[in-house]
Amino acid sequence: EAGVAQSPRYKIIEKRQSVAFWCNPISGHATLYWYQQILGQGPKLLIQFQNNGVVDDSQLPKDRFSAERLKGVDSTLKIQPAKLEDSAVYLCASSLVGEQFFGPGTRLTVL
Amino acid sequence: GNSVTQMEGPVTLSEEAFLTINCTYTATGYPSLFWYVQYPGEGLQLLLKATKADDKGSNKGFEATYRKETTSFHLEKGSVQVSDSAVYFCALSGGLYAGGTSYGKLTFGQGTILTVHP
Repeated sequence: EAGVAQSPRYKIIEKRQSVAFWCNPISGHATLYWYQQILGQGPKLLIQFQNNGVVDDSQLPKDRFSAERLKGVDSTLKIQPAKLEDSAVYLCASSLVGEQFFGPGTRLTVL
Repeated sequence: GNSVTQMEGPVTLSEEAFLTINCTYTATGYPSLFWYVQYPGEGLQLLLKATKADDKGSNKGFEATYRKETTSFHLEKGSVQVSDSAVYFCALSGGLYAGGTSYGKLTFGQGTILTVHP
């Protein structure tokens, strides 16, 4: 069974630029999560989707971050404009019931 | 709200030493508890879990017991190997009957870096 796919794996941008990350969850998993992991900290949930509806986006900085889940499958997370403090690893996870399966993450560096 | 506190790291041990990584939590309701591991260059993987009080999760020689009275879920291994070198995260999620939007959402501790020397 294929795991959670994410791209790109690495991205370097300058502040005030825009960036987008893509996630393809495990086939059949209805729930999709985006987490932000800042160096030296544990992952923090940004947004949770159930199929293509948002369940929880209480910690998503909505003035610059946006996310969508097309047709309840793939998802994109966008940052516009990026700030220095957005440098982090962005993790996507999916679940059917219970256990979450994580992708390899996208490491974002904002200069 | 929910929170998880892990022992300060990093932890450095010799091979075959005993490992304990402390984890305590604050949560309402009946959370499930997890330990995740992140090996160098790899994604987060579930190591073990426990879904109710007094449950013991175990995997690859690691164990952790869900202690509701002390709100703890300490990770232990009797004899560590060099290959156990990784970052370990304690986490919780709202239980099945917690209701609202907390179910499924993971709250992580800050992680503990473990280095095992030969």
